[in-house]
Amino acid sequence: DTAVSQTPKYLVTQMGNDKSIKCEQNLGHDTMYWYKQDSKKFLKIMFSYNNKELIINETVPNRFSPKSPDKAHLNLHINSLELGDSAVYFCASRLSGTPGGRSYNEQFFGPGTRLTVL
Amino acid sequence: GENVEQHPSTLSVQEGDSAVIKCTYSDSASNYFPWYKQELGKGPQLIIDIRSNVGEKKDQRIAVTLNKTAKHFSLHITETQPEDSAVYFCAASRGGNTPLVFGKGTRLSVIA
Repeated sequence: DTAVSQTPKYLVTQMGNDKSIKCEQNLGHDTMYWYKQDSKKFLKIMFSYNNKELIINETVPNRFSPKSPDKAHLNLHINSLELGDSAVYFCASRLSGTPGGRSYNEQFFGPGTRLTVL
Repeated sequence: GENVEQHPSTLSVQEGDSAVIKCTYSDSASNYFPWYKQELGKGPQLIIDIRSNVGEKKDQRIAVTLNKTAKHFSLHITETQPEDSAVYFCAASRGGNTPLVFGKGTRLSVIA
């Protein structure tokens, strides 16, 4: 299946722990994103990578460190987890530029990772 | 930066009726306005989008209108069905690699 996939789907952990969430897309996209959705369903951009380079960092604490080993993967590592980090984290991807003369803006979202910090 | 306001936060309609969700944006340079549908336990999925050079776009029962002067855009769903029940998000961006800024979502319930 062509899609954006995330692992794990659920993550329950204790305060102070370090955890990682993985994201992979097989759509051939070159730009990937991490969004955080809080308990009130508010979706907010955290990071964006284009061709493995960080292009957007929206005032996210430096406990959060994204890593893009290649264009198809964007992983999120979180150090010293806090209660307020509990949320659903979504990965997304899109194709940048204007291939074929058409500008593509659609972002494809993964299924989300529900992180619960106890 | 961009700020997107979305109303209403919840909306209940009878099956077969129409539903309208409205959004306003603040950045006059924004030129791309997508609408996403999020079903329970899933990621947001694009249902329709519009660019600033177009005033209206329709796809079967779904339509979006854009008023650039007033900086607002709306989602219209006609002949609603129970499977339309979900949370709907509007968003705005300047296009390219600029981030999508989302509204706070509208929980639509279609009552059979």
